Amino acid sequence: EVQLLESGGDLVQPGGSLRLSCAASGFTFSTYAMTWVRQAPGKGLEWVSAISGSGDTTPYADSVKGRFTISRDNSKNTLYLQMNSLRAEDTAIYYCAKGLLGLQFWCIDYWGQGTLVTVSS
Amino acid sequence: DIQLTQSPSFLSASVGDRVTITCRASQGISSYLAWYQQKPGKAPKLLIYGASTLQSGVPSRFSGSGSGTEFTLTISSLQPEDFATYYCQQLNSYPLTFGQGTKLEIK
Repeated sequence: EVQLLESGGDLVQPGGSLRLSCAASGFTFSTYAMTWVRQAPGKGLEWVSAISGSGDTTPYADSVKGRFTISRDNSKNTLYLQMNSLRAEDTAIYYCAKGLLGLQFWCIDYWGQGTLVTVSS
Repeated sequence: DIQLTQSPSFLSASVGDRVTITCRASQGISSYLAWYQQKPGKAPKLLIYGASTLQSGVPSRFSGSGSGTEFTLTISSLQPEDFATYYCQQLNSYPLTFGQGTKLEIK
């Protein structure tokens, strides 16, 4: 059974930093692309970043480029999101998500339950 | 960036109705489109990928069609558990954007 368990969400002041983690199990982690998606309270889904199975492809949303860094440790089956220079508009539930195999490898077939990041003074 | 516009944003329907949600892309995205369902307080769930391929375990009353810039998600006969918010996502080019969502409510 695929499981994705996010952690690291917290209350942080504007300008601060936070690192989210996502522990994966139930599948061969290194084979699949992984994605972070966020959802501000009462709002829609926003794609944040993704990383290929090998870690060599890491696209970002314009809203986080230069501030957030996605990474993965395939030996630990863990996905990360390092978030720096946080702003109030980064407040959201952050979901870790797993990709499909094949040509649609960025498509998400499993989602974690999310971790809440609140940016406020 | 590719913009996705869903219509309608809100839809009121009854159990048993056939409903269609449209997703229009600002540029051609071939068939690199997925549809997700999200219920309140829950993570989204994949329904359709590749514009028309039904994800394993998803009821056959859900179907997707389209290519290029116009796509549709159809629910052939609404069930009580289908009342939720639906999102499309393009997977053709970065950033991999979502539509704004369509909230399907009970009439």
